[in-house]
Amino acid sequence: NAGVTQTPKFQVLKTGQSMTLQCAQDMNHNSMYWYRQDPGMGLRLIYYSASEGTTDKGEVPNGYNVSRLNKREFSLRLESAAPSQTSVYFCASKKGLAGYEQYFGPGTRLTVT
Amino acid sequence: ILNVEQSPQSLHVQEGDSTNFTCSFPSSNFYALHWYRWETAKSPEALFVMTLNGDEKKKGRISATLNTKEGYSYLYIKGSQPEDSATYLCAPDQAGTALIFGKGTTLSVSS
Repeated sequence: NAGVTQTPKFQVLKTGQSMTLQCAQDMNHNSMYWYRQDPGMGLRLIYYSASEGTTDKGEVPNGYNVSRLNKREFSLRLESAAPSQTSVYFCASKKGLAGYEQYFGPGTRLTVT
Repeated sequence: ILNVEQSPQSLHVQEGDSTNFTCSFPSSNFYALHWYRWETAKSPEALFVMTLNGDEKKKGRISATLNTKEGYSYLYIKGSQPEDSATYLCAPDQAGTALIFGKGTTLSVSS
């Protein structure tokens, strides 16, 4: 099993450009998550999908949109990138909402200039 | 938004020292408490998922205890080794919502 995979690994954008971060898991998990990591802020939840067909906002959803394409895939879109969105983005998944271990992808390092 | 507090923010110990960290969380709507280990340039990995008040879990030299009534958990590392250097994250699990992580405790172990 590959676990949780993310593409791309690195990306540089100019302010105002758009892009989509891709995430896929092969563990048949129901719940998927997007977090961002910033120095001194730990991991902050952007959006999550409790199950296929549902999405909910997390702590810092502004400037992002998500799509749960199917059970395996959960994408994060930046419509108009801003320097404040420079971060490392982690996708994660777990079997269900409550009481299960969460598995993280390798991360995408995004720089917005 | 959950208020999850971890202390200390960072600490530095010598190889062989034992150490412990604290995670404080709201005790309402509690379902489980997660601990994760996060090494530099890697992804967080689960250490423990704890559900019962008074629960104690152990993995090698690392152990954790849980008090759901007062809303705290302790993580202990016995005989710290350089490979234990990492950031340790906790996250309370409230049924029906996503994990919200504390800012973590960063441990540095010198040989």
